[in-house]
Amino acid sequence: DGGITQSPKYLFRKEGQNVTLSCEQNLNHDAMYWYRQDPGQGLRLIYYSQIVNDFQKGDIAEGYSVSREKKESFPLTVTSAQKNPTAFYLCASSKGASYNEQFFGPGTRLTVL
Amino acid sequence: SQQGEEDPQALSIQEGENATMNCSYKTSINNLQWYRQNSGRGLVHLILIRSNEREKHSGRLRVTLDTSKKSSSLLITASRAADTASYFCATVAGYQLIWGAGTKLIIKP
Repeated sequence: DGGITQSPKYLFRKEGQNVTLSCEQNLNHDAMYWYRQDPGQGLRLIYYSQIVNDFQKGDIAEGYSVSREKKESFPLTVTSAQKNPTAFYLCASSKGASYNEQFFGPGTRLTVL
Repeated sequence: SQQGEEDPQALSIQEGENATMNCSYKTSINNLQWYRQNSGRGLVHLILIRSNEREKHSGRLRVTLDTSKKSSSLLITASRAADTASYFCATVAGYQLIWGAGTKLIIKP
C-alpha cells in the first residue's frame, strides 16, 4: 500500500533536548511538508521541500531543522531553541506543486516534560 | 498567516440531517481544497475545486465556490456518525496551502 508513515506516534522530550521526527513516503511524490497543529487551530507550515536536497522555510521555521537527502524521507528535528514545542506534527506530500492534493501521515504528538 | 476561515467553529446535528460549513478567504486563489481530520489523526483530502469551477460533487459531498464573495461551502448530505470530524478548507498562496482553523462537526445518533 502506498502512503506516508510517521514515527513515533507519541514522543516525550525533556527540555533542552533535540528530537527527530521521522516521515517516509512511498508515493513517489516530489514535494513534502511539515506542519504543526495546536489544539483547536489549523495547520501552520514549518518547512517544505519541492525536490531532493532543497527545502524552504515556512511560516514558523524557527527552532526546527530538516533535511531531504532522499526523495522518500523528510525528517524534522525539533531543537532546544524551539520555545514551545508541545504540539501535533503532521507530515504531508504532494505530486508536484503544493496546490495539488496533499497526502498526510498519521501524525506525531510531541510533549515536552 | 491565516487565509481561510471556517464558519461555524462547531456544529452539532442529528444523524441523517445535512451539514453545511463555510469558508471565507482573503486573496485570489488557484484552487480551494477541503480536508477532513478525525480526532488525533492525519488529514484526508475530500475535494479540490478550481477557481474557474462553481460546484463540485463527490458522493454525499457538495462543494460550491463563489470567487466574487471569496467564499466556499461544503455540504454533507444525509450525515452519518462516521462524519464526526473536523473539516478544514485550504487555499493556495504562492507555494503554500494556507489553512483555516476548521469546523468541528458532531453527528448525534
